[in-house]
Amino acid sequence: GDSVTQMEGPVTLSEEAFLTINCTYTATGYPSLFWYVQYPGEGLQLLLKATKADDKGSNKGFEATYRKETTSFHLEKGSVQVSDSAVYFCALSVLILGGSYIPTFGRGTSLIVHP
Amino acid sequence: DSGVTQTPKHLITATGQRVTLRCSPRSGDLSVYWYQQSLDQGLQFLIQYYNGEERAKGNILERFSAQQFPDLHSELNLSSLELGDSALYFCASSSDPTNTGELFFGEGSRLTVL
Repeated sequence: GDSVTQMEGPVTLSEEAFLTINCTYTATGYPSLFWYVQYPGEGLQLLLKATKADDKGSNKGFEATYRKETTSFHLEKGSVQVSDSAVYFCALSVLILGGSYIPTFGRGTSLIVHP
Repeated sequence: DSGVTQTPKHLITATGQRVTLRCSPRSGDLSVYWYQQSLDQGLQFLIQYYNGEERAKGNILERFSAQQFPDLHSELNLSSLELGDSALYFCASSSDPTNTGELFFGEGSRLTVL
């Protein structure tokens, strides 16, 4: 079945460091890809998305490029802030019988940024 | 604030009991999803409703059931609870289930089974 694999955390960085969180996927068909972020005590919220190969999603300084040849969607940010500390989830969705897209999530990667 | 409301936020109960979790989707959203988040399983899709009808089913146990009412709020019923059912249960909504899977999540209901 469809699945998402992301690097285990926690990832611990100093403020202004470069961030990469790796994500690879397995899917039949042509999935849409997402990064969601979960701050402490809150629900998940969409960070960025890409719906086709070579698309780049970006938001709040974060970027990820849909790489079909390597089945990857790695999350990057050039300079992290303490406020970026959260759990990041990579996800994919494909159209299933019945006409719905059902997102499948990775296990999440905790990011801790120190001042 | 995502606009999705879940109640209760916390619930502690005993094995064998039954609980109901409630979700109000964002205004105008017709589709509701339920997910279970646990440390060992991660975020698992349970079930999806669209405009009152079940649309997709995931890894939902037979002891669990859900429904979506005419006012579009949804309830997840968990019965004969076991220790392993302790988890964070999320509701999410979307305006259109064909919108490639962009969801808006509530803050979750944390269930503890003792």
